[in-house]
Amino acid sequence: EPEVTQTPSHQVTQMGQEVILRCVPISNHLYFYWYRQILGQKVEFLVSFYNNEISEKSEIFDDQFSVERPDGSNFTLKIRSTKLEDSAMYFCASSEHRDSYRNEQFFGPGTRLTVL
Amino acid sequence: GQQVMQIPQYQHVQEGEDFTTYCNSSTTLSNIQWYKQRPGGHPVFLIQLVKSGEVKKQKRLTFQFGEAKKNSSLHITATQTTDVGTYFCAGTDYGQNFVFGPGTRLSVLP
Repeated sequence: EPEVTQTPSHQVTQMGQEVILRCVPISNHLYFYWYRQILGQKVEFLVSFYNNEISEKSEIFDDQFSVERPDGSNFTLKIRSTKLEDSAMYFCASSEHRDSYRNEQFFGPGTRLTVL
Repeated sequence: GQQVMQIPQYQHVQEGEDFTTYCNSSTTLSNIQWYKQRPGGHPVFLIQLVKSGEVKKQKRLTFQFGEAKKNSSLHITATQTTDVGTYFCAGTDYGQNFVFGPGTRLSVLP
């Protein structure tokens, strides 16, 4: 069964450093998403991406964040200058459709980001 | 902005007991989804409800969407230890905003 993959599984970085989290969505999916989950808390939407541009973004997704689809398979989330409060699990998700009736999202296993 | 609330936050049940989690949105939803997240795992899609008053069943799980499309519930009959995890609802409003609820963490004691 096709699945979303994410690398690395765990990333440790120093405050102020840039990190890039990588995701490979399911191959025939057209819509891509990033979420974060601070330990023990709810899943928070960051951004959605379609047709090589951002569709929606939340208040969390400020100028420190950017997303890119550098090639036909990868979808990346970059945090330019990490802060301690960026420590969280980051989930990538993809969906085949986006309209109200068919937007089941498939989540990857996540990347745990630890900012020291 | 849109807010999605869930109650209870935690629920501990004996194996075999029933369990219900309730989800309420501050705005009318075009659809609602339910996800399950096992401890240490990632959210896994369970179901999507679209129609007002819709009821769907998956084995021991029953999902309902309220008539006003602002609330939903998930009911598990005769819980098993495999049901352990956090159950999240996630609502899409007509502005296409997609928000997860805070989740209900279910513990099942054998």
